[in-house]
Amino acid sequence: GAGVSQTPSNKVTEKGKYVELRCDPISGHTALYWYRQSLGQGPEFLIYFQGTGAADDSGLPNDRFFAVRPEGSVSTLKIQRTERGDSAVYLCASSSQAGVEQFFGPGTRLTVL
Amino acid sequence: AQSVTQLGSHVSVSEGALVLLRCNYSSSVPPYLFWYVQYPNQGLQLLLKYTTGATLVKGINGFEAEFKKSETSFHLTKPSAHMSDAAEYFCAVSRGGGGGNKLTFGTGTQLKVEL
Repeated sequence: GAGVSQTPSNKVTEKGKYVELRCDPISGHTALYWYRQSLGQGPEFLIYFQGTGAADDSGLPNDRFFAVRPEGSVSTLKIQRTERGDSAVYLCASSSQAGVEQFFGPGTRLTVL
Repeated sequence: AQSVTQLGSHVSVSEGALVLLRCNYSSSVPPYLFWYVQYPNQGLQLLLKYTTGATLVKGINGFEAEFKKSETSFHLTKPSAHMSDAAEYFCAVSRGGGGGNKLTFGTGTQLKVEL
């Protein structure tokens, strides 16, 4: 596609439920990043993939959060047993292998009731 | 560890006036520095970046920033503000080089442009 796409654009769920957020990076980009942006804050790094493997998951807040990228393209961020504090905009970005610039998607706004 | 401080969560300027958004960083290695803009309900768009070389970098929409190592600063400027510049601006730092370029962002500065 022309840019990074994320689905859904909005997700409302209840506390304790499981959610999946999807990211489609720019075609050919091998690097993929997930960030979380809480209200009034800058984005915070969650996890980075190079190809299929998670090269750096140091930003995942706890073991309820998990992400996969099985074929080195689309990535899914999975959140188990959601809590109200998980409410935020989840941003995905991709870059070429040697690229410095990250291209961001529009984000998924997650609301946990 | 890296960090970014953006002074002023809200900045208001008149149309046609100088825009100055401040950013200071902390990094134990030579940093890569970025300014991103975020319009309401949209993703982040890169305005400009500094990696190596010339310390004055020019970006899109007439913005520029100067890397000052001695001051650990990377302030964003634009000579003449336009109404369309109203948005939130984020300064970010990464380590650069191999091993990924995860970004550490500041808390953002909301720019308001008044007639």
